[in-house]
Amino acid sequence: QKEVEQDPGPLSVPEGAIVSLNCTYSNSAFQYFMWYRQYSRKGPELLMYTYSSGNKEDGRFTAQVDKSSKYISLFIRDSQPSDSATYLCAMRTGGFKTIFGAGTRLFVKA
Amino acid sequence: GAVVSQHPSRVICKSGTSVKIECRSLDFQATTMFWYRQFPKQSLMLMATSNEGSKATYEQGVEKDKFLINHASLTLSTLTVTSAHPEDSSFYICSARDPGSQPQHFGDGTRLSIL
Repeated sequence: QKEVEQDPGPLSVPEGAIVSLNCTYSNSAFQYFMWYRQYSRKGPELLMYTYSSGNKEDGRFTAQVDKSSKYISLFIRDSQPSDSATYLCAMRTGGFKTIFGAGTRLFVKA
Repeated sequence: GAVVSQHPSRVICKSGTSVKIECRSLDFQATTMFWYRQFPKQSLMLMATSNEGSKATYEQGVEKDKFLINHASLTLSTLTVTSAHPEDSSFYICSARDPGSQPQHFGDGTRLSIL
């Protein structure tokens, strides 16, 4: 079993839809949770960062962490074609090593 | 703006050539930088952790003599792919963590193509 599981998709939605992206994990010691967006042929760009459980909102993006269920989510409201990218969840304990999910490819159709 | 700069963005060279990729942290001093490899439609594979002033820590299965890492200053780490062959063609991405914050910031990657 992988430490972090993420459905690779692809996920295709119409413009304006609410997108829900999710990851599950097995290591209860993870404390820091991140979401990155990666456009084709580019490096990942940090979108959201949360510590421990709870919700965090930034514009159209909301990140949720449920440590009891070992489940994290990223919601994108009013999705736009420019949101089409691969979204990677990532997490780590207090140490250096970050574990990444496989990434979910998202397509937002105009 | 970008906090991690990676150069070059694209390299095409002949088999047997050695290729050096630079990774710079622009706004902070990074005692630790990371080097990843990414195959098409796959996630990031950590190759090594680069520590300023000491030897890099390589992940299992990564040849340290093939992928030379130097972290000579707090803002610069380099990855040299020695005697590159077509199977080394890939997308290489570096990242650095600002000690003042937690998450890693990534460079824009280097697409390496060995003919």
